[in-house]
Formats: sequence, structure tokens, C-alpha cells
Amino acid sequence: KNEVEQSPQNLTAQEGEFITINCSYSVGISALHWLQQHPGGGIVSLFMLSSGKKKHGRLIATINIQEKHSSLHITASHPRDSAVYICAVRGGGADGLTFGKGTHLIIQP
Amino acid sequence: GAGVSQSPRYKVAKRGQDVALRCDPISGHVSLFWYQQALGQGPEFLTYFQNEAQLDKSGLPSDRFFAERPEGSVSTLKIQRTQQEDSAVYLCASSYLTYEQYFGPGTRLTVT
Repeated sequence: KNEVEQSPQNLTAQEGEFITINCSYSVGISALHWLQQHPGGGIVSLFMLSSGKKKHGRLIATINIQEKHSSLHITASHPRDSAVYICAVRGGGADGLTFGKGTHLIIQP
Repeated sequence: GAGVSQSPRYKVAKRGQDVALRCDPISGHVSLFWYQQALGQGPEFLTYFQNEAQLDKSGLPSDRFFAERPEGSVSTLKIQRTQQEDSAVYLCASSYLTYEQYFGPGTRLTVT
């Protein structure tokens, strides 16, 4: 079974700061997802990666398959970015996603 | 277009009652997943359908949990004789084969 670890668990930053959230996993995967969850809200898929790097607006996601590691970056962070960011992987013998515990991000104005 | 919908959004059940949670996936999505998210935790996989076939039910926590998708579209997750530890948000997601998963808003189940 894949083990997915995220760090940090909690992160508080000032508006405008560059944010990095890390994810590592234990077994080879077919894809890695970065998801966003607002309090009381549903889950929104931000990225699905199997290699390299993807960018969408102020969000950038990278993955290093050899090191079994991915990062999510937020540039010019804004209070509306405050949410829980979850890393999830598919593969390692499982059909569904295996999730990390999430990173609770707060951006203060 | 319409996303994944789930109903009810909130359900309060007395311990011992049976509940049924519904998921309407995005039209044309072959794959459907159910996940359970306990308070303050990440979601955990329950079961997976490809069309009407339940290909993986390894995450269902006990035989009180049962899921079906008889016509390959709408799915129902049923929990019999609910217990307090069943209290969680139940998330449904759908995808076209192994592509990106789209999540519904979840059903928050509280067992009293």
C-alpha cells in the first residue's frame, strides 16, 4: 500500500509570500493529484501529474518520479488561497486514490 | 456542464438505522469512486466501479457497507445498522477511465 506524506501539516504566511507544499510517496505511481478543499466545501482538482511540471495561473506543480516527490507552489499568495491542499496518488496496486493528510494553509492579509 | 452531485448533503441518523447515499456522476464517466473522510483527516478509498462492475471494494470497512451502480451511472452507498464511527463525509468522484477525478460536494453523515 502506498504511503503518502505531506509537509508541512499547517502553514501560515503573509499575503504575497511564495508558498511551497511538499508530498512524498513510497511506491511507484501512475499519477499524482493536487487537490484543494475549502472548509465545509467540496474537493477541487488542481493538477494531475505523471511527470515534469504543470502551471495554472499562480499555481505550479512539479513531480520527480525517481525521488517519489512532488511540490505544489503558490506565487504571490492571497487570502483566498487559504484552504486545505491535499496530495493524492494513484497506482501501487490500488484502483482509487491514496491521500495524504493535507496541508492547512492560511494566508493572512 | 453539470458536475458530480450527491444527495442528501447532510444526513443525521440514529445509531442502528440504515442510510442510503446517492451519487450522480458526470455523464459519460465510466469510473466512479467512493471515499470516506473523517473529521480532520484526508479521504480514504472505499470502493470503485467501472461502469456497473464493482472492481474493487477493498476499502469498505465492514459488511455493513454496500455499494451498487446497477446501470453504470447513478451509484448508491448503503450503510446498514449505522454506528457512531460511521460519522464522516462520504465523497463520490467520477472520471473518464483513469483520467482526472471530479469530486462531488459530499454527504456529511452524523450518527447520534
